[in-house]
Amino acid sequence: DTGVSQNPRHKITKRGQNVTFRCDPISEHNRLYWYRQTLGQGPEFLTYFQNEAQLEKSRLLSDRFSAERPKGSFSTLEIQRTEQGDSAMYLCASSPPLPGGPLGEQFFGPGTRLTVL
Amino acid sequence: GENVEQHPSTLSVQEGDSAVIKCTYSDSASNYFPWYKQELGKRPQLIIDIRSNVGEKKDQRIAVTLNKTAKHFSLHITETQPEDSAVYFCAARTGFQKLVFGTGTRLLVSP
Repeated sequence: DTGVSQNPRHKITKRGQNVTFRCDPISEHNRLYWYRQTLGQGPEFLTYFQNEAQLEKSRLLSDRFSAERPKGSFSTLEIQRTEQGDSAMYLCASSPPLPGGPLGEQFFGPGTRLTVL
Repeated sequence: GENVEQHPSTLSVQEGDSAVIKCTYSDSASNYFPWYKQELGKRPQLIIDIRSNVGEKKDQRIAVTLNKTAKHFSLHITETQPEDSAVYFCAARTGFQKLVFGTGTRLLVSP
């Protein structure tokens, strides 16, 4: 499968625990995005990487959230001291380098569903 | 920042009818407008997109129109089929960065 992959697909954790998710983008895609989607809503932007540089962070991303993309390939999203409000689907997307595909499309992974008890 | 509004929130049609979903955006600098289809428990999948220098784009039964002056764009699905049932999201993007999504339209196509 050459699409965006995410692991784990599901994560159940207790409030206060730390969790880490991984995203592997499509090969040679240098732009990587994290979004969060809650039930009945559209995805909300969290953060964006171009290669290994984190270029934008949403105000939604509190100090408990951190994301890395150390070698410009896969990325990790860590949530520290999880809260029940963190329960959501965490989606990763990737996009090819500028000038990009025909329109610089973003391709989404299957997501990691987080449940905080 | 960009804000995208989407209507209606739910849409029920009979198989074979047309369906239209409308979105408005706030940032006149937005230049790219994709539409995603999301089936229950699945990832959002890009179904069609349009750049701001184009007014209309078609792909078989699906078309998107863009009115830059009014800052709105629409998805048109003709000859709907039960497998078109899903949640559809519009989005807008400035430059090559984040997408700002609408709140989604649940489309139900009845046989």
